[in-house]
Amino acid sequence: TQLLEQSPQFLSIQEGENLTVYCNSSSVFSSLQWYRQEPGEGPVLLVTVVTGGEVKKLKRLTFQFGDARKDSSLHITAAQPGDTGLYLCAGINSGGYQKVTFGTGTKLQVIP
Amino acid sequence: ETGVTQTPRHLVMGMTNKKSLKCEQHLGHNAMYWYKQSAKKPLELMFVYSLEERVENNSVPSRFSPECPNSSHLFLHLHTLQPEDSALYLCASSQEAGYTDTQYFGPGTRLTVL
Repeated sequence: TQLLEQSPQFLSIQEGENLTVYCNSSSVFSSLQWYRQEPGEGPVLLVTVVTGGEVKKLKRLTFQFGDARKDSSLHITAAQPGDTGLYLCAGINSGGYQKVTFGTGTKLQVIP
Repeated sequence: ETGVTQTPRHLVMGMTNKKSLKCEQHLGHNAMYWYKQSAKKPLELMFVYSLEERVENNSVPSRFSPECPNSSHLFLHLHTLQPEDSALYLCASSQEAGYTDTQYFGPGTRLTVL
């Protein structure tokens, strides 16, 4: 059974601060996705990273896929209250219909 | 309506009841999914349908019975559930099955089993 551990589990910060969320596994994935889920809503895909070492930027969010494709990080610069939500990573394995393993989740609260 | 809709949004049922969850997508996608999101476990994929054909069944108990009458509609029929089945049930759709295409999630049905 593949596991994706996210840390921290909970994070409460002031508006304007920077933060990093980690997603770690002992398994190799062909690609990795990050989602944000707001209360009362389903997850929304933020990014997909597919190459080991890849870095993608989405405005104030920076995503990195580990060189060995076992881990990933999400860095948010100058957090805003609109960033509040549950952040989920998801590891994808290819082959036939792709298999997905979701991370344990990081609940972020940005206080104005 | 746009995107992926789910009804009902909240459902409370006893262990002997039979109920159904409904999902509808207005995106013209060919694949639809059911996921379970529990408070203490990661999001779990339950079923995948591609062009109304079930292509994935992740060892889900038979008390959960999916139905996909066409590519726009997906149902999850529930019977003889257990309290541990209480969770948020999410539906999603994508152009084709898999994770190459973006999956679009509905808002979920919050299920409580008494």
